[in-house]
Amino acid sequence: AQSVTQLGSHVSVSEGALVLLRCNYSSSVPPYLFWYVQYPNQGLQLLLKYTTGATLVKGINGFEAEFKKSETSFHLTKPSAHMSDAAEYFCAVVAGGTSYGKLTFGQGTILTVHP
Amino acid sequence: EPEVTQTPSHQVTQMGQEVILRCVPISNHLYFYWYRQILGQKVEFLVSFYNNEISEKSEIFDDQFSVERPDGSNFTLKIRSTKLEDSAMYFCASSGGGGGVKLFFGSGTQLSVL
Repeated sequence: AQSVTQLGSHVSVSEGALVLLRCNYSSSVPPYLFWYVQYPNQGLQLLLKYTTGATLVKGINGFEAEFKKSETSFHLTKPSAHMSDAAEYFCAVVAGGTSYGKLTFGQGTILTVHP
Repeated sequence: EPEVTQTPSHQVTQMGQEVILRCVPISNHLYFYWYRQILGQKVEFLVSFYNNEISEKSEIFDDQFSVERPDGSNFTLKIRSTKLEDSAMYFCASSGGGGGVKLFFGSGTQLSVL
């Protein structure tokens, strides 16, 4: 079974500051990991994903995440926050090689960006 | 970019009534999913559907729930006799399949059971 824990239900940063959203996972098999973003009144949009290969993955809107197996983490970062980054972010995991669409989500982190 | 469309965006129903939530997946996708999010809780997988049958379902997806792809374009979730605890945001998603799958989600239907 898989599980995801997102540390911090709310994160607040200033515009231009580093964004760091934390995600730790548990999986009995090699995981596939995802970050989704949800803007108000919209669906979940894939930011980036890790399946195999390079552990540092780059996504849309300047976000990136690094898969660290030893730490069972997949933290999301962005060097410089923009006002438009304000949204809710979800980390998700699926067992690699099986049930690709059966994602297990974290509880979400609401990112607020202050001017 | 192509979109998954869900209707209605909000639905209010009385306990015990049947509801049908509708979704139009992306046209060339083969895999279809329903997820839900109860207020304040995590997004939860309900069911996946492929080749006109359920491929996997969660323990939440009991006999009160059913899914259908009636006409090759729509994908529906039916709740036969709604309960108060069915109140949630329901998300439809679709994907083209394959490893490292990318799911495209709709904007959701907020179901309120009174």
